[in-house]
Amino acid sequence: AQSVAQPEDQVNVAEGNPLTVKCTYSVSGNPYLFWYVQYPNRGLQFLLKYITGDNLVKGSYGFEAEFNKSQTSFHLKKPSALVSDSALYFCAVRDTGGQNFVFGPGTRLSVLP
Amino acid sequence: GAVVSQHPSRVICKSGTSVKIECRSLDFQATTMFWYRQFPKKSLMLMATSNEGSKATYEQGVEKDKFLINHASLTLSTLTVTSAHPEDSSFYICSAREGANYEQYFGPGTRLTVT
Repeated sequence: AQSVAQPEDQVNVAEGNPLTVKCTYSVSGNPYLFWYVQYPNRGLQFLLKYITGDNLVKGSYGFEAEFNKSQTSFHLKKPSALVSDSALYFCAVRDTGGQNFVFGPGTRLSVLP
Repeated sequence: GAVVSQHPSRVICKSGTSVKIECRSLDFQATTMFWYRQFPKKSLMLMATSNEGSKATYEQGVEKDKFLINHASLTLSTLTVTSAHPEDSSFYICSAREGANYEQYFGPGTRLTVT
């Protein structure tokens, strides 16, 4: 069965500092990995995905994530955080044979001015 | 990119009534649609998966007679919460996928409040 863990409920970072939001996954086959961001009372906005190819994936709003197969991780990163990055972030995985996504529990990011 | 809309964005209804939420894919054919429920400060819980023209497949613990899902066309799926109760109050999000595409596109969500 697929599963996704986001070990941190909350991440706080000062504006201008680098940020990392962690994600580890478990799938039976090759993973398709995704990051989404959710602002209050809004749906999910797509940030980036890893399907195949380069392990470092660049996405929207300056975010990037690195696929690490040996550690089964797909951590989200940004070199310089903005206050407007404060939101709820979800990691999701789908295996190649799967029908739907499995979402992690979410990590709330707070960027302090 | 692909756009999914939901209507209404917010709805308040009285206990015992039914409410319908629409999910539309605006610029692609959604062969598969998904309905999620999100509790406050929680992750998304998949309720059901529907393929166009077929009956929805419900996740364990989701009452199919209470949460009626219809996916009658390639651009529209509806979720009807029947005989709503306050505990049905939640944020409902739909998503859609075209064919075997590995991406899902999410709607903006519908906030349901049952009084």
